[in-house]
Amino acid sequence: NAGVMQNPRHLVRRRGQEARLRCSPMKGHSHVYWYRQLPEEGLKFMVYLQKENIIDESGMPKERFSAEFPKEGPSILRIQQVVRGDSAAYFCASSHMNTEAFFGQGTRLTVV
Amino acid sequence: EDQVTQSPEALRLQEGESSSLNCSYTVSGLRGLFWYRQDPGKGPEFLFTLYSAGEEKEKERLKATLTKKESFLHITAPKPEDSATYLCAVGQGGSEKLVFGKGTKLTVNP
Repeated sequence: NAGVMQNPRHLVRRRGQEARLRCSPMKGHSHVYWYRQLPEEGLKFMVYLQKENIIDESGMPKERFSAEFPKEGPSILRIQQVVRGDSAAYFCASSHMNTEAFFGQGTRLTVV
Repeated sequence: EDQVTQSPEALRLQEGESSSLNCSYTVSGLRGLFWYRQDPGKGPEFLFTLYSAGEEKEKERLKATLTKKESFLHITAPKPEDSATYLCAVGQGGSEKLVFGKGTKLTVNP
């Protein structure tokens, strides 16, 4: 049973470009979460999605960031017009309702 | 606002030297307290969920306990392969998101 799959593992973007991060949840999981981890900081919640619905986006920056979890295919975290401060590790997690979340290996975004 | 504070920030142990990591939390309506292990360059690996004060869970050399204000992760006779950052997180009732502490970086020397 494959775990949470994230790709790419590493992504380099120039300032002003768009970054697309993908996440396929564990088989049978319908809840997807995105977290961001900055150097020397803890994991910070960004957004919680179920299929075709954003349930909680209280941790998402108001501008440039968006997330989706379509009926078919992986969840996507999209960052438009990236800036140096967006450089971080982005982790996706998935779960059943009210159970522990399992994390992927992360996408390390570097903005140059 | 939910808060999670982990101490110490870093801990160095000799192989076989038992110790405990602390996680203090404030949350309105605890849904669960979660412990994860994170190796460098990897994603967090789930260890335990604790739901109510007095609960304890064990896995190999690790034992997690919970009170109304804090949780401890006890490590008995650690080995070098236990070296990692240990993360504590709380979930609030009515919300699926987790609030994480900054972690304790554990190094076990042979």
